[in-house]
Amino acid sequence: QQQVKQSPQSLIVQKGGISIINCAYENTAFDYFPWYQQFPGKGPALLIAIRPDVSEKKEGRFTISFNKSAKQFSLHIMDSQPGDSATYFCAAIGLVPYSGGGADGLTFGKGTHLIIQP
Amino acid sequence: KAGVTQTPRYLIKTRGQQVTLSCSPISGHRSVSWYQQTPGQGLQFLFEYFSETQRNKGNFPGRFSGRQFSNSRSEMNVSTLELGDSALYLCASSLAGTSREKLFFGSGTQLSVL
Repeated sequence: QQQVKQSPQSLIVQKGGISIINCAYENTAFDYFPWYQQFPGKGPALLIAIRPDVSEKKEGRFTISFNKSAKQFSLHIMDSQPGDSATYFCAAIGLVPYSGGGADGLTFGKGTHLIIQP
Repeated sequence: KAGVTQTPRYLIKTRGQQVTLSCSPISGHRSVSWYQQTPGQGLQFLFEYFSETQRNKGNFPGRFSGRQFSNSRSEMNVSTLELGDSALYLCASSLAGTSREKLFFGSGTQLSVL
């Protein structure tokens, strides 16, 4: 069962446009929602994160919108640039039970491959 | 300040063998966690160590194990390798390991099982 569902899988946006990536979750134990950016050959790097008591958080061109009742959150990249071309992962932290135990690590979405066309 | 260092960068093994991967966290960081990244399953949490103790474990078989040394360096071991273990293995470190703090990832070890 996929704990965090991310869409779209891939996205092409023109330079200067707005890139929007969406994620949804079911596990109400999740209490922290980071977004990671990954370039080829590199590990993920934290972009921005939000807690569920906040509906929006903005850092530079990156904004997270959070809808607790709908269990959805999204990343908006304003004025998208070619250098933003990367794979983006939403994630959630909270206890995820499984047979025989549970884990409190990062649960990632499957990722969105973003291409910004010049 | 040096980032998270993972060695080796690439590994090729055959089925049935075992492998050990190494991770050196950022200086001063006491928590190290490991993730497996594959095209099909994406990024999945393996386990987390803090002060030489495994504090958290993901849903992986017992063939996957790890340990942390007193200098916070960590190793993960996979025994009896299977083809499906081919993946990028990522290590991440953080200061206090509260898991809600910022994680710093290394560039990973690409493991190919033939």
